[in-house]
Amino acid sequence: EVQLVESGGGLVQPGRSLKLSCLASGFTFSNYGMNWIRQAPGKGLEWVASISSSSSYIYYADTVKGRFTISRDNAKNTLYLQMTSLRSEDTALYYCARTWPPDYWGQGVMVTVSS
Amino acid sequence: DVVMTQTPVSLSVSLGGQVSISCRSSQSLVHNNGNTYLSWYLQKPGQSPQLLIYKVSNRFSGISDRFSGSGSGTDFTLKISRVEPDDLGVYYCGQGTQYPYTFGAGTKLELK
Repeated sequence: EVQLVESGGGLVQPGRSLKLSCLASGFTFSNYGMNWIRQAPGKGLEWVASISSSSSYIYYADTVKGRFTISRDNAKNTLYLQMTSLRSEDTALYYCARTWPPDYWGQGVMVTVSS
Repeated sequence: DVVMTQTPVSLSVSLGGQVSISCRSSQSLVHNNGNTYLSWYLQKPGQSPQLLIYKVSNRFSGISDRFSGSGSGTDFTLKISRVEPDDLGVYYCGQGTQYPYTFGAGTKLELK
């Protein structure tokens, strides 16, 4: 069974950093591109970043480019999102999702940016 | 960026009825490789989104044939027949033809 479990969220002050993790199981992680997608409270879905299976290709939404870094460790079956210079508008539930279109999604991890 | 416009914003349906949701893109979603990367998702209350349809009309594994997708170019439709209680939630279309990937704003399906 495919499972994606996010962790690392929480309450953080504006301008600070946070690193999210997504532990994958039930499939060969190194064979799949992965994504981070977020959903602000009561809002729709926003694609954040994608990384190819071998990390050769990485793409970001303009809203996070230069502040967020997506990465992966295939030996640990883990996807990461390093978030810096956080803003209030980054407050959202962050999902990790497999491939595109995203066929499996994690349960999400909440990030709240507030002073 | 490709803007995805969904209509209607909300929809009321009786159990057993049929509904259609429209999704229009600001640019053609036909990729250079000939594929059209338009997909549909359902987010049930309190849950993560789930993939229903990919590449316009292909049902994802385990998805009922009551769900069907159609369309081409910039104009797409999701039809749900014989609506069941478990179908209720917010439906999103999304494009993966070009970065940045984008989603529609969602259509909320409610019981009449």
